[in-house]
Amino acid sequence: SQTIHQWPATLVQPVGSPLSLECTVEGTSNPNLYWYRQAAGRGLQLLFYSVGIGQISSEVPQNLSASRPQDRQFILSSKKLLLSDSGFYLCAWINRRERAYEQYFGPGTRLTVT
Amino acid sequence: QKEVEQNSGPLSVPEGAIASLNCTYSDRGSQSFFWYRQYSGKSPELIMSIYSNGDKEDGRFTAQLNKASQYVSLLIRDSQPSDSATYLCAVNFLAFSGAGAQKLVFGQGTRLTINP
Repeated sequence: SQTIHQWPATLVQPVGSPLSLECTVEGTSNPNLYWYRQAAGRGLQLLFYSVGIGQISSEVPQNLSASRPQDRQFILSSKKLLLSDSGFYLCAWINRRERAYEQYFGPGTRLTVT
Repeated sequence: QKEVEQNSGPLSVPEGAIASLNCTYSDRGSQSFFWYRQYSGKSPELIMSIYSNGDKEDGRFTAQLNKASQYVSLLIRDSQPSDSATYLCAVNFLAFSGAGAQKLVFGQGTRLTINP
């Protein structure tokens, strides 16, 4: 069965500090991978998605970036965090070989920027 | 603009009753529709997917799709306090997804409370 991991689970960072969040998927190959952010009391905002190694598409211009160094690894980064970057960061995947295109989420990272 | 609309609630339902959650979407060409359940502080969990007009039942959950009306709903029978959560509707807009991308658009969610 497939499993998606995210770490860290929680993070408190000062404004202006760097960020690196990691997501890995087990039990599948060549998945589509996604990064979402959910601000407190708000909906899901798609940040980045990737259809393969090194292929990143950005949905929202911001001070965040993403990378996919390996097939099942997706990383979200920032060089300098802003207060507005606080939120619940969710990684998700879709099995591209399944026509159902069901999307599954990881457990999330709760980021507080102080 | 691709939109998915849900009543934000809160929707309050007595235990044992049927909870009805509704969702409308803007793109008539949409192909895939999903319902997620999100408990407070947790990540969304996929509970139902539906692709054809009509009803799809899974245990106490029934998803209903009407593509002509651009409407999808979720019914929860015999509601339990453990069903109290925010329910997110998500739609895969065909025109929104590039080759292989398959992006979902999510509604804002409906907060459901089941009262014992």
